[in-house]
Amino acid sequence: NAGVTQTPKFRVLKTGQSMTLLCAQDMNHEYMYWYRQDPGMGLRLIHYSVGEGTTAKGEVPDGYNVSRLKKQNFLLGLESAAPSQTSVYFCASSYQQGQPGLSYNEQFFGPGTRLTVL
Amino acid sequence: DAKTTQPPSMDCAEGRAANLPCNHSTISGNEYVYWYRQIHSQGPQYIIHGLKNNETNEMASLIITEDRKSSTLILPHATLRDTAVYYCIVRINAGGTSYGKLTFGQGTILTVHP
Repeated sequence: NAGVTQTPKFRVLKTGQSMTLLCAQDMNHEYMYWYRQDPGMGLRLIHYSVGEGTTAKGEVPDGYNVSRLKKQNFLLGLESAAPSQTSVYFCASSYQQGQPGLSYNEQFFGPGTRLTVL
Repeated sequence: DAKTTQPPSMDCAEGRAANLPCNHSTISGNEYVYWYRQIHSQGPQYIIHGLKNNETNEMASLIITEDRKSSTLILPHATLRDTAVYYCIVRINAGGTSYGKLTFGQGTILTVHP
């Protein structure tokens, strides 16, 4: 299993350009997430999905859109990139484990995409 | 989700045990304690989690106090490759439309030196 993969690994954009980051997982996980990490800070949740065809906003969703048309893929889009979106983007996936009422999930992370917006 | 407090940094000698503390005084009864770590420039890696009882796996041990207000992650024989940022996270249950949100704070920078 490849686990969680992210494409591309690096990207430089100019302000106003658009791009899509691709996350793929081969573990048949229901849940998928997009985080961003700025220098010296912890991860912040952008958007997440609890299943194919569903998406929801996280802590910092502004300026991003997502889609989950297939269970194994979770796409993050930037319609008009801004310098404030310069960051490292991590995708993760998980599945629910444990007994009802006390379930938990271990998140598996991808290697990250380094995005610079000039 | 309960808030956690960790020391910003710690040092440990190679081969010795690394004991990383975490305070989570507002934890509720159905919240798990999770530990993740992030080695430089890589994605976070799950280490261990627990609810009430102490837990051990091939990577580490997790000691949770009886009142569940604090916990300690123990790396029994730290190596240079254990140098990383360690995150203690407390979160509510996952299931259905609950996505198992993980809130990452600043974590503890553990430096293992020769």
